Amino acid sequence: EAQVTQNPRYLITVTGKKLTVTCSQNMNHEYMSWYRQDPGLGLRQIYYSMNVEVTDKGDVPEGYKVSRKEKRNFPLILESPSPNQTSLYFCASSLTQGRGYTFGSGTRLTVV
Amino acid sequence: AQSVAQPEDQVNVAEGNPLTVKCTYSVSGNPYLFWYVQYPNRGLQFLLKYITGDNLVKGSYGFEAEFNKSQTSFHLKKPSALVSDSALYFCAVRDKGYKLSFGAGTTVTVRA
Repeated sequence: EAQVTQNPRYLITVTGKKLTVTCSQNMNHEYMSWYRQDPGLGLRQIYYSMNVEVTDKGDVPEGYKVSRKEKRNFPLILESPSPNQTSLYFCASSLTQGRGYTFGSGTRLTVV
Repeated sequence: AQSVAQPEDQVNVAEGNPLTVKCTYSVSGNPYLFWYVQYPNRGLQFLLKYITGDNLVKGSYGFEAEFNKSQTSFHLKKPSALVSDSALYFCAVRDKGYKLSFGAGTTVTVRA
């Protein structure tokens, strides 16, 4: 089944403790992206990647890192999480610019 | 910079009545427009897209959307709403690049 898989689905952590949210797609998509969803703000792009080893900042990149060493994987790294990063995170992938995105099921992160 | 506006935070309709969710956009060049739906505790599901061609686009679950270039709008419609259509709906726009920008979302409630 074609899909984007995110893990974990839920995560509670403490301020400053490094964490990684994994994202993997099995559709051979070139483009991958991370979004965060907050009430009243819709989805805001954190980082995106147009291909292996090619990444760039989105609208809200502060406090986040990403890597794209393989085409299928695009992990999101929070080196020192803070409470304002409590949010619902989505990974998405796309084959070409004219196609819709396929989204993962989301990761609900709480930083206390 | 591209942007999307969804002027209504909430839309309430009775089952069987027409449903309209409004969206306006701003983008340089020709837009790629999308609608997504999010059910509680789920990821985003693709409904439909406009790339080029007919201004009336038909999508999943009986939804359709009308592209109006002069009004820069892409309103989502369904002739007869169902209780199961109750969800959060997002409009999104993509320009010639890969970035997908979302509106803040509209919560649709269909009452029996």
